[in-house]
Amino acid sequence: GAVVSQHPSWVICKSGTSVKIECRSLDFQATTMFWYRQFPKQSLMLMATSNEGSKATYEQGVEKDKFLINHASLTLSTLTVTSAHPEDSSFYICSARTGEIVYGYTFGSGTRLTVV
Amino acid sequence: DQQVKQNSPSLSVQEGRISILNCDYTNSMFDYFLWYKKYPAEGPTFLISISSIKDKNEDGRFTVFLNKSAKHLSLHIVPSQPGDSAVYFCAASGNQFYFGTGTSLTVIP
Repeated sequence: GAVVSQHPSWVICKSGTSVKIECRSLDFQATTMFWYRQFPKQSLMLMATSNEGSKATYEQGVEKDKFLINHASLTLSTLTVTSAHPEDSSFYICSARTGEIVYGYTFGSGTRLTVV
Repeated sequence: DQQVKQNSPSLSVQEGRISILNCDYTNSMFDYFLWYKKYPAEGPTFLISISSIKDKNEDGRFTVFLNKSAKHLSLHIVPSQPGDSAVYFCAASGNQFYFGTGTSLTVIP
């Protein structure tokens, strides 16, 4: 089946630095990928929709200058958390539509970001 | 406004018994409903889905029921196993996917 690979699985960084998270579709092409954030004991919050070859669409309240999304190819989308702060510490998950609605989304394994 | 709601944040069930997870939605235009299972520090994985033209879909121990008039769906797990302990999200498909807030299921051995 369709697989979405997300790296790194966890990262610790210092406050003020930037962190890049990669999301790859391994056996299918994903013109659209989605980035989610999950706070402890809360639901998945859609941050942005990443469109191959064009600008990402951000959800209301998400800072586009802070969470930079690049979708340069049909199999790779990246999320860069710029000038990270402790409040950015969270679990970030990417996903992609496989084209088969019966399965909905295929999700990456997530990235645990801790900013110290 | 939350279009998909899971009103029970947690549920505990004895091993071997039935687990029933509930989900309500507001938009009658949703055409597909899905359940995802999520373990801590992992991405959600697809569990089972149902089209809006059906009222039941069964896959092994998992059955999803859809009541369109009530805008309600439920996931039944029987018999429940300790490995089923996870957070379960329901989702609905419209012009985008809408996720519920999740229900944390604990199956007690």
